[in-house]
Amino acid sequence: AQSVTQLGSHVSVSEGALVLLRCNYSSSVPPYLFWYVQYPNQGLQLLLKYTSAATLVKGINGFEAEFKKSETSFHLTKPSAHMSDAAEYFCAVSVGAGGTSYGKLTFGQGTILTVHP
Amino acid sequence: GAVVSQHPSWVICKSGTSVKIECRSLDFQATTMFWYRQFPKQSLMLMATSNEGSKATYEQGVEKDKFLINHASLTLSTLTVTSAHPEDSSFYICSARDGYNPAGELFFGEGSRLTVL
Repeated sequence: AQSVTQLGSHVSVSEGALVLLRCNYSSSVPPYLFWYVQYPNQGLQLLLKYTSAATLVKGINGFEAEFKKSETSFHLTKPSAHMSDAAEYFCAVSVGAGGTSYGKLTFGQGTILTVHP
Repeated sequence: GAVVSQHPSWVICKSGTSVKIECRSLDFQATTMFWYRQFPKQSLMLMATSNEGSKATYEQGVEKDKFLINHASLTLSTLTVTSAHPEDSSFYICSARDGYNPAGELFFGEGSRLTVL
């Protein structure tokens, strides 16, 4: 079984400041890890994913995340926050590729990012 | 990119009635779709895995007789909330992946907000 813990349900930053959203995972097998963004009353949009290739993953909108096996972490960062980044962010884990298991995601609790002008 | 569409986006119904939510993959064939439920200010919880041409697989604690899932074609899965009650009010989100690309991205619908009066 796998699980995800997002540290901090709310993160507030100033426009232009560094964004750091924390995610730790637990998995008995090598995980696949994802970050999604959700705007109010909308579905989820994939920001980036780790699938056992490069440990530093670059995503859309300037976000990136680094897989650290020793720390069981997959923190999301962005060097300079923009007002449009304000949303809720979910970290998710799944196991394996192929078959139905790939799509069976376990989500973290979510982190609401607020960006102040 | 691939698109998953849900309908309706919003639905309000009276207690005791049934509501059907559709999830369509618009430009790919989805052999597997997933239904999630999201309560206010909470994360997404997987309800069931919908398999084209076969019975859905429900997660522990999800009543299969209350949440009927039908995946009759490669582009359509439906979730019917039967005899809805106020506690069923939630945001329901489906996701799907291209059946010809099992390691590909999981696409999410826009979500359907159900309010049961």
